[in-house]
Amino acid sequence: GNSVTQMEGPVTLSEEAFLTINCTYTATGYPSLFWYVQYPGEGLQLLLKATKADDKGSNKGFEATYRKETTSFHLEKGSVQVSDSAVYFCALSGLDGATNKLIFGTGTLLAVQP
Amino acid sequence: GAGVSQSPRYKVAKRGQDVALRCDPISGHVSLFWYQQALGQGPEFLTYFQNEAQLDKSGLPSDRFFAERPEGSVSTLKIQRTQQEDSAVYLCASMRPGTQTQYFGPGTRLLVL
Repeated sequence: GNSVTQMEGPVTLSEEAFLTINCTYTATGYPSLFWYVQYPGEGLQLLLKATKADDKGSNKGFEATYRKETTSFHLEKGSVQVSDSAVYFCALSGLDGATNKLIFGTGTLLAVQP
Repeated sequence: GAGVSQSPRYKVAKRGQDVALRCDPISGHVSLFWYQQALGQGPEFLTYFQNEAQLDKSGLPSDRFFAERPEGSVSTLKIQRTQQEDSAVYLCASMRPGTQTQYFGPGTRLLVL
């Protein structure tokens, strides 16, 4: 079936370090891919998305490229800040016709230390 | 409103009680989704509405779970005869036509004792 696998956390980094959170997917078709972020005490927010192969989504210094050949959508940021500490969820949708329901990974906790 | 709102934010229920969780989507958002998020897990799809029509309820875990959106705006997720395994955060999301971006509410944290 359709699924998303992302690296387990927690990921602990020092401020200004480079971030990669790996995400791979299994899908029967060509999904749209998303990264959602959940800051402490807040609801899920869309961070970035890509709707077709080789598209790059970017927002707030974060980037992810839709790689069909490796079925991956890894999240990267060149220099993290303490304020980036949150749980990051990789997700896919668009495989079921009209519904557009999201299928999420288990989430990766990022902790950035000053 | 400015965003998706959900109420109550927290609910404690005794096993066997019925609960009702409310979602107010963003005005004009035709699509509405319910997800269940267990502790330490990603959200899992429960059900989907387009206006008042429930087009997909494949994720509802049992017939104790029921959702409605009678006027195509506010939605209610009802859980009958709650069990301990129903303890989770219940998330509501809405989406504008023609987009793929879902906007999430803060969730209702349900604890069944």
